[in-house]
Amino acid sequence: AQKITQTQPGMFVQEKEAVTLDCTYDTSDPSYGLFWYKQPSSGEMIFLIYQGSYDQQNATEGRYSLNFQKARKSANLVISASQLGDSAMYFCAMTDNQGGKLIFGQGTELSVKP
Amino acid sequence: DTAVSQTPKYLVTQMGNDKSIKCEQNLGHDTMYWYKQDSKKFLKIMFSYNNKELIINETVPNRFSPKSPDKAHLNLHINSLELGDSAVYFCASSRPGLAGVETQYFGPGTRLLVL
Repeated sequence: AQKITQTQPGMFVQEKEAVTLDCTYDTSDPSYGLFWYKQPSSGEMIFLIYQGSYDQQNATEGRYSLNFQKARKSANLVISASQLGDSAMYFCAMTDNQGGKLIFGQGTELSVKP
Repeated sequence: DTAVSQTPKYLVTQMGNDKSIKCEQNLGHDTMYWYKQDSKKFLKIMFSYNNKELIINETVPNRFSPKSPDKAHLNLHINSLELGDSAVYFCASSRPGLAGVETQYFGPGTRLLVL
């Protein structure tokens, strides 16, 4: 069965600094996708970034990058130049190519300090 | 324009009542989902529909009945509401991605409180 683990319930980062949110996964499927979503206090789920299991390069989207280490089964999210608006809950998730359901981690609550 | 919309945004009701949540997407996606987020913020899949056909039913009590009148709409009806049904319910839809993996886009959520 697929599983996602986020071991950091809460993280603090100083404004303008970079921060890494950890995510490890477990699956026996050779084809899968890894996702990060942001949930601010207003409650909506915002898609941030996607990494496919066959992608050779790490995904990047603006200030977000995904540090994909396949052998270690990790997919850490790196946020560069943190902003106050980055304060939110961040979820790592994965899906396979059969049915498409997302399996979520427990989430990491990020607080950006001014 | 809203991509994935849900109504209502808030729902407060008494135990034993029946209620429905509606979801619509204007992204032209074929697949739609319902997720439940509990009080500890844990998110779990409930149902998935592809082109009006049920493809995932994740051991949800049969008090919950999804209905998809067309591929742009997926509604969730809940009978005999219980205290434990209090949660945030998210609708999502997806487009095809590389290697068959699909990126899912979420609606704003419906906050259900059962008293």
